[in-house]
Amino acid sequence: DGGITQSPKYLFRKEGQNVTLSCEQNLNHDAMYWYRQDPGQGLRLIYYSQIVNDFQKGDIAEGYSVSREKKESFPLTVTSAQKNPTAFYLCASSTPPDAGGVDTQYFGPGTRLTVL
Amino acid sequence: AQSVTQLDSQVPVFEEAPVELRCNYSSSVSVYLFWYVQYPNQGLQLLLKYLSGSTLVKGINGFEAEFNKSQTSFHLRKPSVHISDTAEYFCAVSEKNYGGSQGNLIFGKGTKLSVKP
Repeated sequence: DGGITQSPKYLFRKEGQNVTLSCEQNLNHDAMYWYRQDPGQGLRLIYYSQIVNDFQKGDIAEGYSVSREKKESFPLTVTSAQKNPTAFYLCASSTPPDAGGVDTQYFGPGTRLTVL
Repeated sequence: AQSVTQLDSQVPVFEEAPVELRCNYSSSVSVYLFWYVQYPNQGLQLLLKYLSGSTLVKGINGFEAEFNKSQTSFHLRKPSVHISDTAEYFCAVSEKNYGGSQGNLIFGKGTKLSVKP
């Protein structure tokens, strides 16, 4: 089955530790995204990557880092510099834009990170 | 800059009643519009999208939405809801960009639909 997988589903870490969240897709999509979701806040874009070995900061990139060494994988590292890391993290990938410039994002099941 | 406003944070409704979830957007250029649904502790699932053409868009699970350019709205409707429709619904907007994705899908803050028996 094609889709997006995120692991683990739940993650607990001590304050001050870096932690890496996994995101893998087998949809052959070029673009991938990381969002953070907090209650009542909607989704906010952390980083996105349109192609391997390239990525751009989103609206709330501070305290996070990413890599894109393979088309299928886009891991997110939550560093100790992120002041409030407890949240639900969602990974997405998107179809290539059509002639009109539209692409559609599809989401993974999410990882809930709790920092103790 | 584009923005999305979902006018109701929570909508309680009885089973088999109709429902409308409201979404307004702001943008200086033409946009694409999306509705996503999120069940508890899960990712987002695409319900429907408006790209161009007919302003009435039909999606999965019996939902539909109507694009109104003059009112900059994209309200989501269902004529008869089920208990299983209980979830959070997100409206999102993306500006048209001829030449590739901007990676910039802007989400509203969500509306929690609670269907009661």
